[in-house]
Amino acid sequence: AQKVTQAQTEISVVEKEDVTLDCVYETRDTTYYLFWYKQPPSGELVFLIRRNSFDEQNEISGRYSWNFQKSTSSFNFTITASQVVDSAVYFCALSEADNQGGKLIFGQGTELSVKP
Amino acid sequence: EAEVAQSPRYKITEKSQAVAFWCDPISGHATLYWYRQILGQGPELLVQFQDESVVDDSQLPKDRFSAERLKGVDSTLKIQPAELGDSAMYLCASSLVAAPYNEQFFGPGTRLTVL
Repeated sequence: AQKVTQAQTEISVVEKEDVTLDCVYETRDTTYYLFWYKQPPSGELVFLIRRNSFDEQNEISGRYSWNFQKSTSSFNFTITASQVVDSAVYFCALSEADNQGGKLIFGQGTELSVKP
Repeated sequence: EAEVAQSPRYKITEKSQAVAFWCDPISGHATLYWYRQILGQGPELLVQFQDESVVDDSQLPKDRFSAERLKGVDSTLKIQPAELGDSAMYLCASSLVAAPYNEQFFGPGTRLTVL
């Protein structure tokens, strides 16, 4: 069955520290998509990135980077030089190709607190 | 920038009362999702529409929840009667088409408290 696990419930860092948010997924599909969303205190989920199961290239976008490893079923997210504005809950999510509707299966979320 | 609109943002009700939430997706988005997010957990899909048709409502508690998207644009989610366990954030999302690779755009949510 499909499942996403974010083992870190809460992380607290001091500004400018690097931080990595872990995500482990389970799926039987060979084709699937992985997402990261950010949920600030205002409530709406903001899309950050999407990867498909055939593209294991790591990606960097400014201070954000993502490490996708199929061998360990992980899709980890690193924020370099964290800032107070990065404080939010971050969700990893999975969408399987067999589910044509695009249903997202979310992890439990990791609450990141960046202190000045 | 186009956004998903939801109202109300907050709703407090007593158990056994009826509540309704409204969502207006991004213009042109054929697919609309309603998710429920219990405090401290990730969102879970309740119902998905493709235009005016329900595509997936397998997780919708149909004895008390109903959803409609009559003209294939905006949508209403209703709970009757509300129970204490329904306290949660109700998120609406939309996407251009229903596909597993598509980004979903989320609204600000309706936070429901049932007393």
